[in-house]
Amino acid sequence: AQSVTQLGSHVSVSEGALVLLRCNYSSSVPPYLFWYVQYPNQGLQLLLKYTSAATLVKGINGFEAEFKKSETSFHLTKPSAHMSDAAEYFCAVTDYGGSQGNLIFGKGTKLSVKP
Amino acid sequence: GAGVSQSPSNKVTEKGKDVELRCDPISGHTALYWYRQSLGQGLEFLIYFQGNSAPDKSGLPSDRFSAERTGGSVSTLTIQRTQQEDSAVYLCASSSQFPGGNQPQHFGDGTRLSIL
Repeated sequence: AQSVTQLGSHVSVSEGALVLLRCNYSSSVPPYLFWYVQYPNQGLQLLLKYTSAATLVKGINGFEAEFKKSETSFHLTKPSAHMSDAAEYFCAVTDYGGSQGNLIFGKGTKLSVKP
Repeated sequence: GAGVSQSPSNKVTEKGKDVELRCDPISGHTALYWYRQSLGQGLEFLIYFQGNSAPDKSGLPSDRFSAERTGGSVSTLTIQRTQQEDSAVYLCASSSQFPGGNQPQHFGDGTRLSIL
């Protein structure tokens, strides 16, 4: 069965600093991986997706993620944090086992950006 | 519409009452998903529809929960005899592709349900 682990429930960075949010996955088949962002009182917005076309994936708002099969990781990065990046971030993998295509989410990482 | 629409955005009700939550997916999306987001459990998958059919209802937390979808479009999640542990944000998502595909799910803003 697929699973996702996000290391760090809270991450705090200074404005302009590197953002690194960690995600490790478990999957017996090549996975489809996603990063979503959630702002307060809103739904989930897709940041980027990995679908095996390229290991380095660029998303919206300057975020990118690198798929590393050997490390079973899909960490999210942004070179320079903005105040507007403060939100909760979720890594997710498509569940193949149930054949319904639902997403399995990590527990989320709340990102704080200090001025 | 342009995105997934959910209503109501907030619902406060008394324990024991029934509630209906509505989801209007992106036009043309055949796949529809319901998730629940709560502090203790994170994001949990509840049920999936392909067209009007839900092949597996085992993700629903109890038999008080039911869902339907009509016309391959709008879906309703119904919770009967609500309990305090049902308090959560209920999120709906839709996708243009069959399960296992690489198309992402697009989420609505959710219904925040509070049981008094």
